[in-house]
Amino acid sequence: SQTIHQWPATLVQPVGSPLSLECTVEGTSNPNLYWYRQAAGRGLQLLFYSVGIGQISSEVPQNLSASRPQDRQFILSSKKLLLSDSGFYLCAQRQGDRNTIYFGEGSWLTVV
Amino acid sequence: QKEVEQDPGPLSVPEGAIVSLNCTYSNSAFQYFMWYRQYSRKGPELLMYTYSSGNKEDGRFTAQVDKSSKYISLFIRDSQPSDSATYLCAAQGGGKLIFGQGTELSVKP
Repeated sequence: SQTIHQWPATLVQPVGSPLSLECTVEGTSNPNLYWYRQAAGRGLQLLFYSVGIGQISSEVPQNLSASRPQDRQFILSSKKLLLSDSGFYLCAQRQGDRNTIYFGEGSWLTVV
Repeated sequence: QKEVEQDPGPLSVPEGAIVSLNCTYSNSAFQYFMWYRQYSRKGPELLMYTYSSGNKEDGRFTAQVDKSSKYISLFIRDSQPSDSATYLCAAQGGGKLIFGQGTELSVKP
């Protein structure tokens, strides 16, 4: 089974402040990990994915960055938040050759 | 044109109704199809996963894929208020996993 922990669950940050969202996963080793954003009334937008430690691919150029310091840890960061960064951030994992991904409970970010 | 199109709704039905949720896709490389259910302020949870054309049934849920018309459907029988959620379709293939926008479903008691 797959268990994905995300924190914080909810946060309100002022414009220009830094951001760090953390995701840790349980299960088999070397999972593919993903960060998605879901804006209000919109679908899921893939932000970053990682196939291994230190390997990050960015899908959308933006104000965010991602890092994978450990096999089961995936971090989403920003140095200076924008209002447009508000949304629901979801960490997800895919294991091995399975063609499905599983999501965490998400982190709600409101930039004010 | 989006690679996966889904009517965002909202869709409102009475309890006990049969619900039909639909998506179309444009990329012939898509081979795997999924339906996720997302309750308000929660992460999406995987409901159904299908590979080939045809039907797959799991309790009150049936997923249907028609590759010839690039059409995927989710049917919910005997809908319950607890089925009220947003349903997202997804298609995977050719190195891509693309989600539909999601359909908001409300089942009224």
